[in-house]
Amino acid sequence: NAGVTQTPKFQVLKTGQSMTLQCAQDMNHNSMYWYRQDPGMGLRLIYYSASEGTTDKGEVPNGYNVSRLNKREFSLRLESAAPSQTSVYFCASMGGTVYGYTFGSGTRLTVV
Amino acid sequence: ELKVEQNPLFLSMQEGKNYTIYCNYSTTSDRLYWYRQDPGKSLESLFVLLSNGAVKQEGRLMASLDTKARLSTLHITAAVHDLSATYFCAVDITSSGSARQLTFGSGTQLTVLP
Repeated sequence: NAGVTQTPKFQVLKTGQSMTLQCAQDMNHNSMYWYRQDPGMGLRLIYYSASEGTTDKGEVPNGYNVSRLNKREFSLRLESAAPSQTSVYFCASMGGTVYGYTFGSGTRLTVV
Repeated sequence: ELKVEQNPLFLSMQEGKNYTIYCNYSTTSDRLYWYRQDPGKSLESLFVLLSNGAVKQEGRLMASLDTKARLSTLHITAAVHDLSATYFCAVDITSSGSARQLTFGSGTQLTVLP
């Protein structure tokens, strides 16, 4: 019963470094999402993918890129990390409205 | 642009008391979710509300949806310490493509005092 798996769970980057956050789901869901959560705030949508091969910008896409590698995997890339990207990142998938969205456990990223 | 507003943002209540958290949203939608988040954890789904007038109950929590008023409520009955957490509402809309997406409120941080 893995659901949505995110790696890594924690990461510290220096300003300017790059990294890729990985997300995989085993529920055969079509739609996948990347959100960020800053202290005292709700989640904000970075990018989403309605299906394999498609991606779209969300509310806060600047500084990020995504890849929907296949139906299971949706990665988020920071090309040149900035301190403003310090946040907790959640991946989610959705296969139908009755069951809603399933969230991963999150990646806590600090950029120094 | 969809706006989702929760109030209150902070709620401190005594055990055994009742209270309601409100979630207002600015665009037509008939799908709304409530989540619970404990510190340092992910989001746990509490309720999925899929139509006007929907009411769901689980233990001491009851959620309702009024799509005409664009309002959802999360009612807490006889609060206990274990309910201390942050509660989020999230509104589900269809984007310009075909994917649905969630827009979250800022959350209500609930503390239940003995």
